[in-house]
Amino acid sequence: AQSVAQPEDQVNVAEGNPLTVKCTYSVSGNPYLFWYVQYPNRGLQFLLKYITGDNLVKGSYGFEAEFNKSQTSFHLKKPSALVSDSALYFCALANQAGTALIFGKGTTLSVSS
Amino acid sequence: GAGVSQTPSNKVTEKGKYVELRCDPISGHTALYWYRQSLGQGPEFLIYFQGTGAADDSGLPNDRFFAVRPEGSVSTLKIQRTERGDSAVYLCASSPQGRVVAGGGEQFFGPGTRLTVL
Repeated sequence: AQSVAQPEDQVNVAEGNPLTVKCTYSVSGNPYLFWYVQYPNRGLQFLLKYITGDNLVKGSYGFEAEFNKSQTSFHLKKPSALVSDSALYFCALANQAGTALIFGKGTTLSVSS
Repeated sequence: GAGVSQTPSNKVTEKGKYVELRCDPISGHTALYWYRQSLGQGPEFLIYFQGTGAADDSGLPNDRFFAVRPEGSVSTLKIQRTERGDSAVYLCASSPQGRVVAGGGEQFFGPGTRLTVL
């Protein structure tokens, strides 16, 4: 069965520090992985995706994610956090049919000034 | 340009009633998805339309849930005999292409309809 796990409900970082939001997955076959962000009172927004190729994927707003096949992980990273990055982040995996996304529970990122 | 819109933004109904939730996707997007998000959880897939047809309805929880997209644009999610457990935020998303591996993974989400069943 396919699944996505986000082991941390909340991540707290100080502005200017690097941030990591963790995601692990389980799938048979090649994974297609995504990160989405949900700001308060706004819809989910696409950040980045991994389909194939380079293990380091760059996305919107300075975010990047590192695909690690041996650890079945796809952690979201940013070198220097901003207060405006505070939001709810979801990792997602394409289902085997390629017709929908399977989302993790989400991780709340809180960046303090 | 206009994003995905959903109406109503909030819907309060009584147990046993029928409700309809509407989604207006981005113009030209052939793929449309419905998800349900319960408190503290990620979105859960319900149904995927490619054009007018439901290409994957495996996420619909039971036969009280039904969705249509008759002209390949606007979609309506219909819930019969609502139950308290149906209370959630219902999200609609669209994408220019359907299958995730063909580019459909970048989905554009609407703000959602918060459904409360009393």
